[in-house]
Amino acid sequence: RKEVEQDPGPFNVPEGATVAFNCTYSNSASQSFFWYRQDCRKEPKLLMSVYSSGNEDGRFTAQLNRASQYISLLIRDSKLSDSATYLCVVTLNAGGTSYGKLTFGQGTILTVHP
Amino acid sequence: DAGVTQSPTHLIKTRGQQVTLRCSPKSGHDTVSWYQQALGQGPQFIFQYYEEEERQRGNFPDRFSGHQFPNYSSELNVNALLLGDSALYLCASSRKGAPGTGELFFGEGSRLTVL
Repeated sequence: RKEVEQDPGPFNVPEGATVAFNCTYSNSASQSFFWYRQDCRKEPKLLMSVYSSGNEDGRFTAQLNRASQYISLLIRDSKLSDSATYLCVVTLNAGGTSYGKLTFGQGTILTVHP
Repeated sequence: DAGVTQSPTHLIKTRGQQVTLRCSPKSGHDTVSWYQQALGQGPQFIFQYYEEEERQRGNFPDRFSGHQFPNYSSELNVNALLLGDSALYLCASSRKGAPGTGELFFGEGSRLTVL
């Protein structure tokens, strides 16, 4: 079983649509959770952190369910510029500090069309 | 403020050869991690260097080795290249002591093709 699993998509949606991505992780000891965005042939960049209470950043909302080991990302009012691969990421804390190892999911491809 | 820089950007090797990839971390960062990203997959952790020592290692064979220099820059070496080593190799830097941070700063990567 993969440590972090995502539906690879692709998701093809029109501008203005709402789209949701899901992710599950296998290690219940995982402590920190993130969504990264990767544009075509570019490097991954942090989109947002994910907290148990849920958090929002503009059109983006992230949710974490520790009991189900499930993470989600909701994008409202999709823009053409949202087209990218969205990577679900988890980390394990060791001794209270992160040494920076991230475990990535396969990524979900999103294409927003006019 | 320069971000993470990697070289070379593209390279082609043949099976059995050896390759060295280089990375300079973002200014102020002291920790360097290397990731391998195969086509259509997410990045996979290779190892991480801090204070010139390998601190963590992912599930990669000993053919993958690295080094960190006193100026925090790093090299990734891969020996006895296999076709399956063809991938984008990403270097990421961070600053130790930032608990739980997920913000790694990635370079644009070195795209390795093994023929």
